[in-house]
Amino acid sequence: EAGVTQFPSHSVIEKGQTVTLRCDPISGHDNLYWYRRVMGKEIKFLLHFVKESKQDESGMPNNRFLAERTGGTYSTLKVQPAELEDSGVYFCASSQDVTGGGYGYTFGSGTRLTVV
Amino acid sequence: EDQVTQSPEALRLQEGESSSLNCSYTVSGLRGLFWYRQDPGKGPEFLFTLYSAGEEKEKERLKATLTKKESFLHITAPKPEDSATYLCAVRGYGNNRLAFGKGNQVVVIP
Repeated sequence: EAGVTQFPSHSVIEKGQTVTLRCDPISGHDNLYWYRRVMGKEIKFLLHFVKESKQDESGMPNNRFLAERTGGTYSTLKVQPAELEDSGVYFCASSQDVTGGGYGYTFGSGTRLTVV
Repeated sequence: EDQVTQSPEALRLQEGESSSLNCSYTVSGLRGLFWYRQDPGKGPEFLFTLYSAGEEKEKERLKATLTKKESFLHITAPKPEDSATYLCAVRGYGNNRLAFGKGNQVVVIP
């Protein structure tokens, strides 16, 4: 089966611009998560969708970040306007079972965002 | 807040030289401890989930163990292809998010 797909793989934008990241989860996975790794830090949780509903968005840094999941399929994460501190690698993960079950959560390869 | 600390941060091993990675955690009711492997430019790749103290899981040269405060990832007779960053994460009671450590960067020298 296809894995979790993220694009673009890299994005370089100027401060103040808008960027939209996309994640296509594994087909049939109701649970979709966004995480972010800022340089030198650990991977941190941003938010969790169950189908099209936001289950937990406690990790979203501020209101410049907007996540959507249309029809419970793919998800987008928009940053508007981007700031320098938004630079990092954004990972998407999906799972069939909210607990991760015996197969864990499947991660995509990430989008490396650089804000200059 | 759930927290994970991994040590050592970086480790260089000779091929065949066994070693262990440590993951110490604090969590309000453990609902799963996860080990992932991450290669440069890629996302974390699932290895194991452990749920209760005393549990052990194995896969090829890797063996994960769990106590009430920490987990170990033992690498037996490593090969160069075991070079990667190993990530530990926990899921606590009442939430569905993972709290990650910074990782153990392992380099195995032929």
